Amino acid sequence: LAKTTQPISMDSYEGQEVNITCSHNNIATNDYITWYQQFPSQGPRFIIQGYKTKVTNEVASLFIPADRKSSTLSLPRVSLSDTAVYYCLVGPTGRRALTFGSGTRLQVQP
Amino acid sequence: EAQVTQNPRYLITVTGKKLTVTCSQNMNHEYMSWYRQDPGLGLRQIYYSMNVEVTDKGDVPEGYKVSRKEKRNFPLILESPSPNQTSLYFCASSLPETSGSYNEQFFGPGTRLTVL
Repeated sequence: LAKTTQPISMDSYEGQEVNITCSHNNIATNDYITWYQQFPSQGPRFIIQGYKTKVTNEVASLFIPADRKSSTLSLPRVSLSDTAVYYCLVGPTGRRALTFGSGTRLQVQP
Repeated sequence: EAQVTQNPRYLITVTGKKLTVTCSQNMNHEYMSWYRQDPGLGLRQIYYSMNVEVTDKGDVPEGYKVSRKEKRNFPLILESPSPNQTSLYFCASSLPETSGSYNEQFFGPGTRLTVL
């Protein structure tokens, strides 16, 4: 499985755009990139998934460059409720492959 | 409401006393999984099940058992709990492979287990 590297923590203010970058140099051809969000004492929640280029949904955007060795989760105009831990996962489509690292702890301040 | 439920949410027990944590999903998902979460170690998969009567070990299966007799239920069994199994446990389920949401798992609310 491809190893992922994310910043341990990030700080932001309400209304700002937050970009969290994940490095995955050893990504395989059949790997997808998936991001989850976890609030304290709750289970992780799927945010977005992509393979290449850009994916956007109602919550976030995911940017993946052509070499796929990194990806960036973009959260537009964050609010206090976006304070959470964000995990970047890389693996093939197959339920046995999900591995969560330590994630990035995002703190949004007023 | 589509959800994954776990019971109990909190449990304090003693070493060696068998316990079961139940997990149930109402989304007709084929795939179910158990994770444990410990500070500094992230979430680690314990066991998973691709379908009824099909289970397999994850990354940290030692000391745990599972069964999948029905599609909706996937209980986690600790035959002889030890203090190193004190952790936060999450059950999760997934859509079928053909759904297009390849790695989207739905997680339960968690069970905080303390083994004294």
